[in-house]
Amino acid sequence: DAKTTQPPSMDCAEGRAANLPCNHSTISGNEYVYWYRQIHSQGPQYIIHGLKNNETNEMASLIITEDRKSSTLILPHATLRDTAVYYCTRLSSGSARQLTFGSGTQLTVLP
Amino acid sequence: DTAVSQTPKYLVTQMGNDKSIKCEQNLGHDTMYWYKQDSKKFLKIMFSYNNKELIINETVPNRFSPKSPDKAHLNLHINSLELGDSAVYFCASSQLRGTEAFFGQGTRLTVV
Repeated sequence: DAKTTQPPSMDCAEGRAANLPCNHSTISGNEYVYWYRQIHSQGPQYIIHGLKNNETNEMASLIITEDRKSSTLILPHATLRDTAVYYCTRLSSGSARQLTFGSGTQLTVLP
Repeated sequence: DTAVSQTPKYLVTQMGNDKSIKCEQNLGHDTMYWYKQDSKKFLKIMFSYNNKELIINETVPNRFSPKSPDKAHLNLHINSLELGDSAVYFCASSQLRGTEAFFGQGTRLTVV
């Protein structure tokens, strides 16, 4: 049951912006979009989340379309250490906080 | 000071054995989770615990049982291990009504 769809892999040149898309066309009104990344079999690391407004923190920016059916994670200046699998997931604001991870996007930052 | 720590990091054992993986969090979170990551890298939630109550229980074999002695610990017990149990198991914690979940570094279980 793929609740989110992401491209399996992407490359990005070091220093350039990395734009990672995610499709969540069946998202419901109370579900947030969350992004995590996993660097080489380490534990997943939280990046950012949002509901309908665009969000920015020290790691990344999250752009959510007006219809909320898709979003884009932006790493403004990718470094080699950003090479990882990036997971887009959705989470309801209810009490059962179950993160369901899809297959993710393997981002490779090239020197 | 590690926020979510799991032990052991690696575990190799024979089929049929019983094993446990320990998890501790020092973040004061009220909810803890166990995830399984298979060879295809899919992360699937197995259990979550809030205030010592099981609030999510996915369709995992009953050979797997989570045990929480207190709010800071959620251990995973596995009985009669099978080859298909080989995977990386991640513990995580969060506030029930909070934002992000924090993950441990994983336990790579290999059943031979």
